[in-house]
Amino acid sequence: QQQVKQSPQSLIVQKGGISIINCAYENTAFDYFPWYQQFPGKGPALLIAIRPDVSEKKEGRFTISFNKSAKQFSLHIMDSQPGDSATYFCAAQSSGSARQLTFGSGTQLTVLP
Amino acid sequence: ETGVTQSPTHLIKTRGQQVTLRCSSQSGHNTVSWYQQALGQGPQFIFQYYREEENGRGNFPPRFSGLQFPNYSSELNVNALELDDSALYLCASSLLGTQRTQYFGPGTRLLVL
Repeated sequence: QQQVKQSPQSLIVQKGGISIINCAYENTAFDYFPWYQQFPGKGPALLIAIRPDVSEKKEGRFTISFNKSAKQFSLHIMDSQPGDSATYFCAAQSSGSARQLTFGSGTQLTVLP
Repeated sequence: ETGVTQSPTHLIKTRGQQVTLRCSSQSGHNTVSWYQQALGQGPQFIFQYYREEENGRGNFPPRFSGLQFPNYSSELNVNALELDDSALYLCASSLLGTQRTQYFGPGTRLLVL
């Protein structure tokens, strides 16, 4: 059962544009929602994270919007740059003992110069 | 501060063989989680070790096993390798109890022929 659904699978944006990636979750026990960025041949790196008591969190050009009632959250990348071209994963984590991350299927972002 | 390191970077095995992958945690972290990332997919949780004991396990068979050592480094062992075990294996370290963030290593690319 896929507990975190991510869309789109791929995204092409012009330099300076806004990239938007959406995720939806099912498990109401999730209480921490990070986004990871992964470049080819590298491990995922934490980009930004949010807890469900906040509807929006902004760090530089990256913003997470969170809708608890709809069980949806999204990543907005403002002023997208070619260096942002990577695969982005949303994830969800519960406060259980292991706190394992449940990942979405990923979005391959290409920012054209 | 030293980040998460993994060895080897690449590995080729044949079906039925056994493999051991290694991970060194980020300094100060007491928990290691292992994830399997198949090509084009998000990482999937295998298991987590905390204080040298398994602290949670995903939907993986018993031929996937692990160890955590007193210095918090860890091993992932996979017996009776199958073709579907071909993937990027990621190790993530964290500080259980006070932090939610998991920091990933660069991964070990395993190819089973």
